Amino acid sequence: QKEVEQDPGPLSVPEGAIVSLNCTYSNSAFQYFMWYRQYSRKGPELLMYTYSSGNKEDGRFTAQVDKSSKYISLFIRDSQPSDSATYLCAMWDYDKVIFGPGTSLSVIP
Amino acid sequence: EAQVTQNPRYLITVTGKKLTVTCSQNMNHEYMSWYRQDPGLGLRQIYYSMNVEVTDKGDVPEGYKVSRKEKRNFPLILESPSPNQTSLYFCASSTSGRADEQFFGPGTRLTVL
Repeated sequence: QKEVEQDPGPLSVPEGAIVSLNCTYSNSAFQYFMWYRQYSRKGPELLMYTYSSGNKEDGRFTAQVDKSSKYISLFIRDSQPSDSATYLCAMWDYDKVIFGPGTSLSVIP
Repeated sequence: EAQVTQNPRYLITVTGKKLTVTCSQNMNHEYMSWYRQDPGLGLRQIYYSMNVEVTDKGDVPEGYKVSRKEKRNFPLILESPSPNQTSLYFCASSTSGRADEQFFGPGTRLTVL
């Protein structure tokens, strides 16, 4: 079993839809949880990070962490074509950083 | 402009020919790291550095070397590249000095024949 699992997609949604992106993990030592967005031929860019269970909101993006279920989610409201990218979850246990393989998202105008 | 730069951006080489990929950041960050990205495997950390002269292995350090003689630079060295090191490489530095807020460079596409 991989330490971090993520549905690779591709995921295709119409503009304005609510998008849910998810990751599961097996290592209960992970304390920090991050979401990165990666456009084609670019480096990943940090969207959000959190270190506790619960929700964290930033504009159209909401990160959700459920440590008891070892499950994290990123919700995108009112999705836009500019949100089309690969989304990577990542986790850190003060020692190593583990990234998920990424979910490819396309938002169709 | 705050940025992480990598050179070269593209490199084709042959097995066994030593190469260095440079990484430089202008944000005075203490934490820097190297990753490789392969289809289906995501980003995997090769090495990281918490500060000058301090480096540690990540998940996949075999076949790679790094050095951190100055805060701004963190070169990745492949002493004897092999075809299984063909990959997309990213350098990153962190605003927080930890691994949770990393700022990535544009990537280096390496092909080893």
